[in-house]
Amino acid sequence: AQRVTQPEKLLSVFKGAPVELKCNYSYSGSPELFWYVQYSRQRLQLLLRHISRESIKGFTADLNKGETSFHLKKPFAQEEDSAMYYCALRRGGKLIFGQGTELSVKP
Amino acid sequence: DAGVIQSPRHEVTEMGQEVTLRCKPISGHNSLFWYRQTMMRGLELLIYFNNNVPIDDSGMPEDRFSAKMPNASFSTLKIQPSEPRDSAVYFCASTRDVPNYGYTFGSGTRLTVV
Repeated sequence: AQRVTQPEKLLSVFKGAPVELKCNYSYSGSPELFWYVQYSRQRLQLLLRHISRESIKGFTADLNKGETSFHLKKPFAQEEDSAMYYCALRRGGKLIFGQGTELSVKP
Repeated sequence: DAGVIQSPRHEVTEMGQEVTLRCKPISGHNSLFWYRQTMMRGLELLIYFNNNVPIDDSGMPEDRFSAKMPNASFSTLKIQPSEPRDSAVYFCASTRDVPNYGYTFGSGTRLTVV
């Protein structure tokens, strides 16, 4: 079965520190992977997709098929990065979400 | 582009009442999804439509929940009768049936059943 695992419910860092939000997936084919961000009580917004290999708001994510991972990284966290982050796998038309990681960036 | 539009933004209702949530997807998107978000269970896919046809409703909790998509620009999620455990934020999302095309989410409806 396709599954997305985000092992950390909460990640707390200080401003300026590096951040890595972990995401592992289980899927036998070629995955379509995304990161979504949800700021306090707002809609989910698409942050990154693996196919585009882009950097958005300083975040990057690299697909590692060997480790079946798609970790989200940022070298220097900012307070405005505090939010819920969801990793998602698209399969069969459906978007399957992980449980989410709450990132808290302290001043 | 106004994005995915959901109404109402907030709904407070009494147990046993019927609740109807509404969604207008982005024009040109041919897939529509209803998700429920709670602290305990995170984001759960309830049902999704492709070209107005329900494809997978395995996430619908029970017969009290029903969803329709009468045309490409409108969908409803109905709960009848509502129960306190239905309290959650309900999100609608739409996308195109294209590889690696992201979903666009609405602002959600915060439902409270008392």
